[in-house]
Amino acid sequence: GEDVEQSLFLSVREGDSSVINCTYTDSSSTYLYWYKQEPGAGLQLLTYIFSNMDMKQDQRLTVLLNKKDKHLSLRIADTQTGDSAIYFCAGASGGYQKVTFGTGTKLQVIP
Amino acid sequence: EAGVTQSPTHLIKTRGQQATLRCSPISGHTSVYWYQQALGLGLQFLLWYDEGEERNRGNFPPRFSGRQFPNYSSELNVNALELEDSALYLCASSSGTLVGAFFGQGTRLTVV
Repeated sequence: GEDVEQSLFLSVREGDSSVINCTYTDSSSTYLYWYKQEPGAGLQLLTYIFSNMDMKQDQRLTVLLNKKDKHLSLRIADTQTGDSAIYFCAGASGGYQKVTFGTGTKLQVIP
Repeated sequence: EAGVTQSPTHLIKTRGQQATLRCSPISGHTSVYWYQQALGLGLQFLLWYDEGEERNRGNFPPRFSGRQFPNYSSELNVNALELEDSALYLCASSSGTLVGAFFGQGTRLTVV
């Protein structure tokens, strides 16, 4: 099965860029996702990337995929205090049947 | 448009009892996914239902079970509750893939 690993904590200053990293083990992952979980809330799908893409940009969010190293990153430009949350990386291998989530990275934005 | 709704928001049960958690998907979504988020751990996949059928299950014992009703709402049942079942249980719905899946707010289950 898939293993997805993330660092547990990241602290940045408001206005700086945040980069959250993720590594996965299954090279057959079809989709790779980034979710955001604010305190007391469910998960919000932020963005996703297909395994045949290297990069995807969506407003302040940039996803980079390095298939060779099985490394995925999420860059948030001009980080705001409202971006403080836990960010989960997830991968789906063998189709859409099952998605494996990482343990989440807690992003703290310092005003 | 209403999002994914889960009930109850909080549930306290005694060890050995049974818990029933409910999920109403977004209108038009036929797939429902259940996840367990234990403290300090990531999300663990529990079950996937689509069109009323169980399509896949995660690495959980058989006392975790569920079903999907004709209106696509779903129920998760946990029998013979153990203390380590205490967690946030999240439900997500989609129209068939996890691209565009939406999560509910979760049910916080506490086993004492």
